[in-house]
Amino acid sequence: QVTLKESGPALVKPTQTLTLTCTFSGFSVTTSQMRASWIRQPPGKALEWLARIDWDDDILYNSSLKTRLTISKDTSKNQVVLTMTDMDPADTATYYCVVGFSSSWYFDYWGQGTLVTVSS
Amino acid sequence: QSALTQPPSASGSPGQSVTISCTGTSSDVGAYNYVSWYQHHSGKAPKLMIYEVTKRPSGVPDRFSGSKSGNTASLTVSGLQAEDEADYYCTSYAGNNILYVFGTGTKVTVL
Repeated sequence: QVTLKESGPALVKPTQTLTLTCTFSGFSVTTSQMRASWIRQPPGKALEWLARIDWDDDILYNSSLKTRLTISKDTSKNQVVLTMTDMDPADTATYYCVVGFSSSWYFDYWGQGTLVTVSS
Repeated sequence: QSALTQPPSASGSPGQSVTISCTGTSSDVGAYNYVSWYQHHSGKAPKLMIYEVTKRPSGVPDRFSGSKSGNTASLTVSGLQAEDEADYYCTSYAGNNILYVFGTGTKVTVL
C-alpha cells in the first residue's frame, strides 16, 4: 500500500526558510519512473505545482518560484525534501506531496497535506 | 500562470449524472491529452480518478468518465452516490515552464 506523509513546521516567520519532508512507504524513491512533486494550495485559491524530482534525480521547478526552491531526495530514508527560502505571508498554504509512476503527466498518489502559515 | 476554470459547484440527486467542465487554453488543455481529475474528501488525501483525459485507474468505478473537446475537458459522474460528494480538481500538462496547471475546483453535492 502506497502512502505519503508530509511533515514540517506549521508556522514560519516571514523571511525564514521552510523545510518540508515527505516520507514514502510502499515503494522506493529509486523505483523506475517514480516522479515526486510538491504542490500547494493557498486558502481559497487554486492548486499550484512547485517542483519535481524523478527516480533518476532529474529535477524540474516551477519557473516562477525556481530561485526560492530546492528539492532533493534521501534514498536511505525514502524521503523527498523541499526547501523554500524567503517565506512570505502569501506562501501560506496547504502543501501536498504527490507521486506518479509513469512518464506521463499525472499524479497517482497524494499525501493528506500539511498546512503552513507564514506569520510574524 | 492562469488556473483552469471550473464551476464552483455542481449537484445532483442519487442516481443522476453530473458533469464538471474544466476550461483552459490552447497551450494546456487544448494542446495535450494529459488532463487528469482528482477527488478530494476534506481531511483526506486527494485521489486520482481519471488520467490522460479518458483513462480510469484500477479501482475507480466506471461511473466516472472523462472527455475533452477543444480547450475544455469534462468529468462525468453517472449514477451519483452519496460517497461521490467531494471536491473535484482537474489538471493539465502545460509545457516546459509551468509543467502542470490546475483547475479552480468544483464542489459536488449529492442532494
